[in-house]
Amino acid sequence: DGGITQSPKYLFRKEGQNVTLSCEQNLNHDAMYWYRQDPGQGLRLIYYSQIVNDFQKGDIAEGYSVSREKKESFPLTVTSAQKNPTAFYLCASSPTGVDGYTFGSGTRLTVV
Amino acid sequence: DQQVKQNSPSLSVQEGRISILNCDYTNSMFDYFLWYKKYPAEGPTFLISISSIKDKNEDGRFTVFLNKSAKHLSLHIVPSQPGDSAVYFCAASASTASKLTFGTGTRLQVTL
Repeated sequence: DGGITQSPKYLFRKEGQNVTLSCEQNLNHDAMYWYRQDPGQGLRLIYYSQIVNDFQKGDIAEGYSVSREKKESFPLTVTSAQKNPTAFYLCASSPTGVDGYTFGSGTRLTVV
Repeated sequence: DQQVKQNSPSLSVQEGRISILNCDYTNSMFDYFLWYKKYPAEGPTFLISISSIKDKNEDGRFTVFLNKSAKHLSLHIVPSQPGDSAVYFCAASASTASKLTFGTGTRLQVTL
């Protein structure tokens, strides 16, 4: 079955540490996205990539970094520069544009 | 700057009645609108969409209405069922962009 997989589902990080969230898709989608969900703030776009080896900042990119070395993979690194990293992170992919947006099941990151 | 707004954080409706979820947008470049449904600890799933060339789109129990002059759209669910209880997100995009801008979400509770 085609889909989008995020791992791990739950992640704990100590303050000052970088952590990488995994996102893999086998839908052959060109575009991939990272969103963050906080209570009362909906989904906010962190980074997105429309093609391999290219990505753009979203609305809240500070403290995050990404790479897109393969079409199937779009990992997100939450760096120590991110001041409030505790949140629910969602990865999505789409063939082109916004039709067919498919979301993963999310990773809940908690800083301890 | 919240370009897509859902002013009602929560809504409670009796089973069998109509649920109406509202969404307002400010960016006049938006021309494609979508509704997503989300359960806790899961990724959002696509419900229904509408292009700005239409003012209504229907799919089973779900109907989306678009009022371009008012920059307002609404999702009607008739009849409401307990399984509809979830958070509903409105999203919008401009045809020149390949990313979605989401609202803050409305939590719908369908009671027996």
